[in-house]
Amino acid sequence: DTGVSQDPRHKITKRGQNVTFRCDPISEHNRLYWYRQTLGQGPEFLTYFQNEAQLEKSRLLSDRFSAERPKGSFSTLEIQRTEQGDSAMYLCASSSGRWETQYFGPGTRLLVL
Amino acid sequence: KNQVEQSPQSLIILEGKNCTLQCNYTVSPFSNLRWYKQDTGRGPVSLTIMTFSENTKSNGRYTATLDADTKQSSLHITASQLSDSASYICVVTGGSQGNLIFGKGTKLSVKP
Repeated sequence: DTGVSQDPRHKITKRGQNVTFRCDPISEHNRLYWYRQTLGQGPEFLTYFQNEAQLEKSRLLSDRFSAERPKGSFSTLEIQRTEQGDSAMYLCASSSGRWETQYFGPGTRLLVL
Repeated sequence: KNQVEQSPQSLIILEGKNCTLQCNYTVSPFSNLRWYKQDTGRGPVSLTIMTFSENTKSNGRYTATLDADTKQSSLHITASQLSDSASYICVVTGGSQGNLIFGKGTKLSVKP
């Protein structure tokens, strides 16, 4: 399968713990995006990378959130000191250019107890 | 403010019937409009993409239309199947940064 993959698919954690998610984009795509989606809502933009550079961050991305794409390939999204409000589906997408179609991964569903 | 509004919020139809989903947007400048299908617990999958100059685009039983003057789009599903049950999200690319602006989606349920 050469699509976007995400790991883990599901994560249950206790409030206050740190969690890290991984995204592997389509190999030739230089753009990688992170979104958050809550039940009944469309995805909300969090941040995006062009190669290894993080070019934009949403105001939704609080100081507890950090994303990296160290070698311009896979990316990680870390949430520190998780809160119950962080419970959501975290989606990763990649594209070959600014105006090109974004291909989404299956998402990581986070539940903070 | 750049926004994408979809209607209805949810829809139930019988297998074999047709349906039409609506999308209104206030995004400027406009680049393109996409319809995505999102199965429960999965990531969205692109169905169609239309630019300013395109009025209609088909993908199998899915036909999308775009009226750039009224800033409206529709997604028509013909001869619905149980596997069409999903959320359908209208996404507009535009604004000063070329960002994706998502609607909240229409949840379609196809019943046997």
